[in-house]
Parts: sequence; C-alpha cells; structure tokens
Amino acid sequence: KNQVEQSPQSLIILEGKNCTLQCNYTVSPFSNLRWYKQDTGRGPVSLTIMTFSENTKSNGRYTATLDADTKQSSLHITASQLSDSASYICVVSAVGGSGYSTLTFGKGTMLLVSP
Amino acid sequence: DTEVTQTPKHLVMGMTNKKSLKCEQHMGHRAMYWYKQKAKKPPELMFVYSYEKLSINESVPSRFSPECPNSSLLNLHLHALQPEDSALYLCASSQASGSYEQYFGPGTRLTVT
Repeated sequence: KNQVEQSPQSLIILEGKNCTLQCNYTVSPFSNLRWYKQDTGRGPVSLTIMTFSENTKSNGRYTATLDADTKQSSLHITASQLSDSASYICVVSAVGGSGYSTLTFGKGTMLLVSP
Repeated sequence: DTEVTQTPKHLVMGMTNKKSLKCEQHMGHRAMYWYKQKAKKPPELMFVYSYEKLSINESVPSRFSPECPNSSLLNLHLHALQPEDSALYLCASSQASGSYEQYFGPGTRLTVT
C-alpha cells in the first residue's frame, strides 16, 4: 500500500529561525515528489517538485532534498516569516495510467511561526 | 496563465437542494481532478478526467455527479447531499504527459445544512 509519512506533526518556531520538515514514503511506481504549502481553507500551492534523479531543489527560502535510495525527503525553510505559518504537505506522485497521475498525500506538518 | 479557478468560493445548501461547483483552467491541461478535503485531513481523490473522459471514480456516492463539458471546464453536480458531505472541494489540473504536476484551485467551502 502506498504511504507517505511526515514528521513532526506540528512545529512552533520563532520568526527568523530555520526549520526542517521530514517525509518518508513508500510509493510505487514513483514518478515525482512534491512539497505543497496549504493555508487553512485554501487549496495547496506547489513549492517544489523533484524526480528520482534530483537530489535538491530550491524555491526562494524553501529547499527540498530527495534521497531516492532511502525514500526520504526533507523541506528546509530558512529565515522563517509569519506568513510561513501553514500546513506543509509531502505528496508523492505515481503515473496512474493513460494521461493522469495519482497522488499519495502525507498528513502534513502544521507550522506556526511565532513573533 | 497558471491558475485554476473555482466558483463559488463558499456554498451553503440544504439536503434537498441541487447545486453545482465549477472549475476552469486555461493551461491546456487535459487531466482534471476533484478532491474532497475534511478539516485537518489530506485531500481525498474523488474523480479523474483525462481527455474529457472519466478515468477514475473512487467509489463516490451518486449524489455527486461530475461532468467535463470541454477540456477547460470541470463541473461537480450536487444533489441530496448529507451534512457529512460538508468539506473543502478542490479541483486540480495537470498535463496528460511529462511531470503530470497537479495545479490546485483555491477550493469551494461547502456546508450542507
């Protein structure tokens, strides 16, 4: 059964500090891994997307890493801002069939950045 | 244009009402998806359309009826819903090849009374 597990479940950090979120997955056949940011009551917004051949991908203050051998990924946030408070979801994609993908979602890490 | 739009943003309906959710994208994507998301839970896949044809129906009750009238539009028709159907309904679209990266809309917050 395809699974994505994230840790920690929730995290509180002070504004300006860095943090790292973790993701472990067992998804087959693996296509790519994405990190999404989701504000409460809003749709997820893509931060990074990586295929199995990519080890790291950056998007501003967000840096994602992928170890396809150990099936682990991390999302590092530097110099956190109050607006970073949100749920961060690790999502692994498998190619589902003819012309679409199927996603396995982690339960997310709820990040709260405190002033 | 890299945006998926959804209307309405909020919807309150009674259990005997008929309503529709709408989703639109102009990125040339040929795969479109409906998800249901309850509070503090990850999205759950409901339907997938690929090239305007229904490819996946995740055993969704018949009170939810999807429709893909053309490659840019996706509708979700609602009838005789239950209070437990209250949730955030998300639409997404992706290319039908390559990375298949799914772009999500902002969602429709549905409340069934």
